[in-house]
Amino acid sequence: GQQLNQSPQSMFIQEGEDVSMNCTSSSIFNTWLWYKQEPGEGPVLLIALYKAGELTSNGRLTAQFGITRKDSFLNISASIPSDVGIYFCAGYYINTGTASKLTFGTGTRLQVTL
Amino acid sequence: DAGITQSPRYKITETGRQVTLMCHQTWSHSYMFWYRQDLGHGLRLIYYSAAADITDKGEVSDGYVVSRSKTENFPLTLESATRSQTSVYFCASRITGVGANVLTFGAGSRLTVL
Repeated sequence: GQQLNQSPQSMFIQEGEDVSMNCTSSSIFNTWLWYKQEPGEGPVLLIALYKAGELTSNGRLTAQFGITRKDSFLNISASIPSDVGIYFCAGYYINTGTASKLTFGTGTRLQVTL
Repeated sequence: DAGITQSPRYKITETGRQVTLMCHQTWSHSYMFWYRQDLGHGLRLIYYSAAADITDKGEVSDGYVVSRSKTENFPLTLESATRSQTSVYFCASRITGVGANVLTFGAGSRLTVL
């Protein structure tokens, strides 16, 4: 199946620093989703992107749908300890558009030190 | 409580035994999904269901069986558990129509097969 390349795999940052992570695909996507997963819990939606070039914010989080439709990035500004978790990108192929084809990246594990 | 609940949250079983993981949602969402999460693989789709009595395979369906006699329930059965099925299993659901691309996840069921 399709693969989403998500990077970096892990990040160790200090509180207050900004964070950037991204996902790339060899296929064109029509939707990008960013989820966060905390230990012992299921993924929770952070941001949904539906149009190429779309830039959307959710508090200190900002995500963009790449112009080529093959990539997306997520930025976290002024990180705090509760940002710790695994961040997943996910997307739908342009030629299916069905939920059954939602593909997930392998995740970016974020650790925040004081 | 409203939402999507999974049970059991933790299960240890032996190779060859049958195991059923339960998923219940209170939103009357038409679509439901089962994913497994393993290190290095992100979330992979096992099965999904578009409505009661309609199910279809995902990318890693071998060794699993699902049913959906009622809209709100979507049990996942491992007919003869194998060690390779040790994983964390997530159930998810979504609406149809506006915002339909967004999946909402349960808290997960951690299964260990000895």
